[in-house]
Amino acid sequence: DTAVSQTPKYLVTQMGNDKSIKCEQNLGHDTMYWYKQDSKKFLKIMFSYNNKELIINETVPNRFSPKSPDKAHLNLHINSLELGDSAVYFCASSQDKGTSGGIYNEQFFGPGTRLTVL
Amino acid sequence: RKEVEQDPGPFNVPEGATVAFNCTYSNSASQSFFWYRQDCRKEPKLLMSVYSSGNEDGRFTAQLNRASQYISLLIRDSKLSDSATYLCVVNVGNYGQNFVFGPGTRLSVLP
Repeated sequence: DTAVSQTPKYLVTQMGNDKSIKCEQNLGHDTMYWYKQDSKKFLKIMFSYNNKELIINETVPNRFSPKSPDKAHLNLHINSLELGDSAVYFCASSQDKGTSGGIYNEQFFGPGTRLTVL
Repeated sequence: RKEVEQDPGPFNVPEGATVAFNCTYSNSASQSFFWYRQDCRKEPKLLMSVYSSGNEDGRFTAQLNRASQYISLLIRDSKLSDSATYLCVVNVGNYGQNFVFGPGTRLSVLP
C-alpha cells in the first residue's frame, strides 16, 4: 500500500551510460515532481508535471528527460551520465489546489533513488 | 538572496529543551507554507502546515508572519526522536505547485 514508490532504490553505473528511474503514486494525485538532493543535502526541484503536462522545468541539463505516460507515473531518463549526477533523486506527488479546494497541499515523497556514477 | 533561507545549525540540545527554528522567504506572493522533517537517508515527510493564524500540534508550534516573510517552528520538551533535519518549504505557485525547499536545519537531541 505504498503511496509513492520508486525503482530502483540504488543505482550504480559508469559515466556515459543511460539510465532510467521509475516513479508511481497510488494517491490519485494529479501533480508529480522530481527532486535532486546533492551531497550537501540541498533539495532542489527539477521537474513538475500536472496531469501529464510539464509545468515546471528548472535549469537542468537536457540529458535529463522526464516522461509521464499517465498521471500516476513520472519516470526520469538520464542520458550520458556524468560524475556530477551522483545524488539522491526523489519523486513526489501532490493534489493540485484547484481540484482539492485548499491551498495546503502537502507533497508525499518516494523513498528516493541513490544514484552513484563512477 | 536565496528564495528560502533557514538557520544554518546544527542545533545540539539536551532532552527536554525547547528549540526554535527560523525561516525567511523572498517571494511575497508565496501562498502556502510547511515544515518537513527528513531523517538521515530517508525521504522528507510533512511535519505540519503553517497557517496564517499560527498553529500547534502537540509539542510543535508553527508561526507565520507574512509582513516580515518569516516562518518559525518551536519544539517543546525535545525528545531523542526529534533528531532530524527540519526543512522549511514555501509554495510559490499560482497554478499547480512550485515548492521551494530551504537548506534545512539539523537538530540533534542529546540524552
